[in-house]
Amino acid sequence: DVKVTQSSRYLVKRTGEKVFLECVQDMDHENMFWYRQDPGLGLRLIYFSYDVKMKEKGDIPEGYSVSREKKERFSLILESASTNQTSMYLCASSFLTPGANVLTFGAGSRLTVL
Amino acid sequence: GQQLNQSPQSMFIQEGEDVSMNCTSSSIFNTWLWYKQDPGEGPVLLIALYKAGELTSNGRLTAQFGTTRKDSFLNISASIPSDVGIYFCAGNFGNEKLTFGTGTRLTIIP
Repeated sequence: DVKVTQSSRYLVKRTGEKVFLECVQDMDHENMFWYRQDPGLGLRLIYFSYDVKMKEKGDIPEGYSVSREKKERFSLILESASTNQTSMYLCASSFLTPGANVLTFGAGSRLTVL
Repeated sequence: GQQLNQSPQSMFIQEGEDVSMNCTSSSIFNTWLWYKQDPGEGPVLLIALYKAGELTSNGRLTAQFGTTRKDSFLNISASIPSDVGIYFCAGNFGNEKLTFGTGTRLTIIP
């Protein structure tokens, strides 16, 4: 069964801490994405990557960075966590072509920043 | 950026009822997708639509790509308890990034 795995399902961090959210996919997908999900706002794209060591800003990149050193792994980094970054974070992946739009999502990482 | 209006925001229905929800875009799309998110999980693709007017079914679910290319509809017939969750539409045009709707939360009243 093909998968996108987010290693941490629930995290609680303090304001100012550095936070790493890890995502691994086993489908040999070129594209990987990080979204955050908040009630009433739907899914908003933070960053995405079309290739190893490549990254592009999404709609809400402020306060976040990413790393893609290997094709299967895409990490989201919060350099200094703030309370307004409390959210559900979803990782997704897809092929470059065809079906680049058809995203496979992980189960999500729920982050609480105190 | 693109704007997607998804409605209704929430629905409270009884088991066995049919469900309808829709999404409207501010510009034309050439792909519409419908995802479902179970509580505590990530969204899972239900139906993909690639052609204006296309009508596609997946079990009790039927989705349509609107003829104006600016809207899409999802219907669920004879709802059952496992239909509970959040339904998201998503769409794009060409190589643009997907835009997601804000979701429709479906609750089934016992």
